Amino acid sequence: DQQVKQNSPSLSVQEGRISILNCDYTNSMFDYFLWYKKYPAEGPTFLISISSIKDKNEDGRFTVFLNKSAKHLSLHIVPSQPGDSAVYFCAASWRNTGNQFYFGTGTSLTVIP
Amino acid sequence: KAGVTQTPRYLIKTRGQQVTLSCSPISGHRSVSWYQQTPGQGLQFLFEYFSETQRNKGNFPGRFSGRQFSNSRSEMNVSTLELGDSALYLCASTRGSTDTQYFGPGTRLTVL
Repeated sequence: DQQVKQNSPSLSVQEGRISILNCDYTNSMFDYFLWYKKYPAEGPTFLISISSIKDKNEDGRFTVFLNKSAKHLSLHIVPSQPGDSAVYFCAASWRNTGNQFYFGTGTSLTVIP
Repeated sequence: KAGVTQTPRYLIKTRGQQVTLSCSPISGHRSVSWYQQTPGQGLQFLFEYFSETQRNKGNFPGRFSGRQFSNSRSEMNVSTLELGDSALYLCASTRGSTDTQYFGPGTRLTVL
């Protein structure tokens, strides 16, 4: 049962434009969400997180939005750069259960120069 | 501060064998989680250890087991390997009880 879903396997964006990656979840108990970036043959690298008490968190070019009523979160990258080309995973957890995170299947982002 | 390290990075085994993977967390991190990544499946949670105790377990058969030592280092064991066990095995460490996970580079296991 996939509790975290990323329905777009791939996304292509022109350099300098906005990249929007989407993620949906089904478990309303999730209260902590993260985005990771992954290059081939490397482990995921933490990008940004958001707690369910917030609806937005910014860190430089990266902003995560959380819509709890829709059980949806998105990652915005502005402006997109070729170095952002990677696979992006969203992950969710229910903090009361410790560090068991549920991951989506990933979205492969290609930023075209 | 050194990151999460995993050994070995690559491993080739044959069906029926067993394998042990090792993970050293970031210094001061007490929680270690293991994930399996296969193409199209994302990261599937295997188990989490916190202060030498298994705190969470994913939906994997009993052939997959793990342990954590007093220095927070963790090992994962897979017995009676099957072809479907070929995957990238990732370890992640967390400082506290619930916190951001930091991943190691992974161990690429190939079962022939």
